[in-house]
Amino acid sequence: QSALTQPASVSGSPGQSITISCTGTSSDVGYYNLVFWYQQHPGKVPKVIIYEASKRPSGVSNRFSGSTSGNTASLTISGLEAEDEADYYCSSYAGSSLLVFGGGTKLTVL
Amino acid sequence: QVQLVESGGGVVQPGRSLRLSCAVSGFTFSSFGMHWVRQAPGKGLEWVAVIWNDGSIKSYADSVKGRLTISRDNSKDTLFLQMNSLRAEDTAVYYCARDHNLAASGIDYWGQGTLVTVSS
Repeated sequence: QSALTQPASVSGSPGQSITISCTGTSSDVGYYNLVFWYQQHPGKVPKVIIYEASKRPSGVSNRFSGSTSGNTASLTISGLEAEDEADYYCSSYAGSSLLVFGGGTKLTVL
Repeated sequence: QVQLVESGGGVVQPGRSLRLSCAVSGFTFSSFGMHWVRQAPGKGLEWVAVIWNDGSIKSYADSVKGRLTISRDNSKDTLFLQMNSLRAEDTAVYYCARDHNLAASGIDYWGQGTLVTVSS
């Protein structure tokens, strides 16, 4: 059960686009299309923003999008806004009813 | 609306036990898998355990296997986490969370969390 790999931090200016990667293996991200992305503001509860790699829950801005390629999933945020500043986590199903999270990425909006 | 409310957290000495509960409402509890996820102070999210909708399958992170036990009572819409032989490294906010499906796939709703502090 190894954690998925995310960059510790990313930053961007308002209006720009950023991408956060989430790298796993051929046993999790690369095998199952079950990558979820969560946004967590300081002191708050995580909130799902992408499910099943690329689907967006109702109520989530279309500025958030997800994709996968091989063993890496990506979250792209376009048109960055100040309110996007938060921690972002990915998770993937890893078989045998196991779930694994990424270490998290702190997004700073400059 | 979907609600998950944890209880049972607190301060406990190393080696002792604690039982967390999570009361849910706003959805058909018996149709969804349920997870416990924890977050140590200032750290990231760590998946702890999952139980399938009917309780038939349970799975655990290696870090808690043999010490923590997940269970559910579908007649009372309640999820549990029995925590035995607690260690300092178990100190964290414990979140009850709903799976997107009946088994284990990913999380779509989270509770507010309950803080467990293991300290002498």
